[in-house]
Amino acid sequence: GAVVSQHPSWVICKSGTSVKIECRSLDFQATTMFWYRQFPKQSLMLMATSNEGSKATYEQGVEKDKFLINHASLTLSTLTVTSAHPEDSSFYICSAYVSGGANVLTFGAGSRLTVL
Amino acid sequence: GEDVEQSLFLSVREGDSSVINCTYTDSSSTYLYWYKQEPGAGLQLLTYIFSNMDMKQDQRLTVLLNKKDKHLSLRIADTQTGDSAIYFCAESSASKIIFGSGTRLSIRP
Repeated sequence: GAVVSQHPSWVICKSGTSVKIECRSLDFQATTMFWYRQFPKQSLMLMATSNEGSKATYEQGVEKDKFLINHASLTLSTLTVTSAHPEDSSFYICSAYVSGGANVLTFGAGSRLTVL
Repeated sequence: GEDVEQSLFLSVREGDSSVINCTYTDSSSTYLYWYKQEPGAGLQLLTYIFSNMDMKQDQRLTVLLNKKDKHLSLRIADTQTGDSAIYFCAESSASKIIFGSGTRLSIRP
């Protein structure tokens, strides 16, 4: 079945540094990928829609310059948290639609970011 | 705007049935979904139902959809300890999937 792979699964960084998270569709092409953020014991918050070959569409309240999204190929989208601060610590999950008509989202395993 | 609501917690005895409820607001939703999230992991699709259906059964899982009341439920028969997780209801709305807050299911012996 369709698999979405995220890397790294967890990362610890110092405040002020930038962190890149990769999201890959392993056995299918994904023209659109979605980035979600999840706070502890809370639901998923859609951050942005990543479109292959064009600019990402950000949800209201999400800083474009803070969360840089690049979708350079049909199998890879990256999220870069720039100048990370402790409040950026969170669980970031990417997902992609699997073709078939039901708009089913396949999720990556998530990346836990801790900013010290 | 679109909204999906769920109760936050549910506790059931092992072997009993679990019923997780969800309400949504977008009457034009095409599909409705149930996802499962285990601790520290991403979301796993359990099942989905097309909006013109009112029931779907898949082994221990039964999904009921009341489109008039915009109410969706997930019944897990013979609940096991491995069913402990957070269950998210979601609806497809325009080009997005909107998630509920998740229901944490705990199993007691």
